Amino acid sequence: GAVVSQHPSWVICKSGTSVKIECRSLDFQATTMFWYRQFPKQSLMLMATSNEGSKATYEQGVEKDKFLINHASLTLSTLTVTSAHPEDSSFYICSAGGQTDTEAFFGQGTRLTVV
Amino acid sequence: GQNIDQPTEMTATEGAIVQINCTYQTSGFNGLFWYQQHAGEAPTFLSYNVLDGLEEKGRFSSFLSRSKGYSYLLLKELQMKDSASYLCAVINSNYQLIWGAGTKLIIKP
Repeated sequence: GAVVSQHPSWVICKSGTSVKIECRSLDFQATTMFWYRQFPKQSLMLMATSNEGSKATYEQGVEKDKFLINHASLTLSTLTVTSAHPEDSSFYICSAGGQTDTEAFFGQGTRLTVV
Repeated sequence: GQNIDQPTEMTATEGAIVQINCTYQTSGFNGLFWYQQHAGEAPTFLSYNVLDGLEEKGRFSSFLSRSKGYSYLLLKELQMKDSASYLCAVINSNYQLIWGAGTKLIIKP
């Protein structure tokens, strides 16, 4: 199957700082990528849909000024958590595909801990 | 609203068979996925069903009944490495992926 690479795998940052997470499609072009957040023992929650060359579409309740998404090329989408707080500590996962009748390919996930 | 229900946790014995059920109520249906997720890792794809019936893939099989809004994942010859969470997800008529909370499967020797 296709490969989606996410980096970093884990990061610890101080409150008030910003963290950037990268999601790359290694062997295919992804015009659309998706960013999820998962709290312990809970389901994946879609945060936003990242569209190449245009603004991301955010789900209700997700602050677009806090979670900045950039999809400047067909193989790279980035999620920047700005002014991070401890409550932003979570597992963030990106994916490509899966919104039609095709398999979703997931990145490895990023565990963010804000201290 | 839209929701997907799965048992929170199940326990089974190594070498046995276990069935994980999933019921869904969504606005339309365009397919159902099963994913496996080990702790701290991203989900990995197991199966996709869009037509009624059983899809078999090695030790894992997935069944779908659209009229009943029901699916199950069947795992045979359980191995310790099968200990993980199993996520059921449905694509609705707007092609949105709706996720269940997952079933934590514990395998005992």
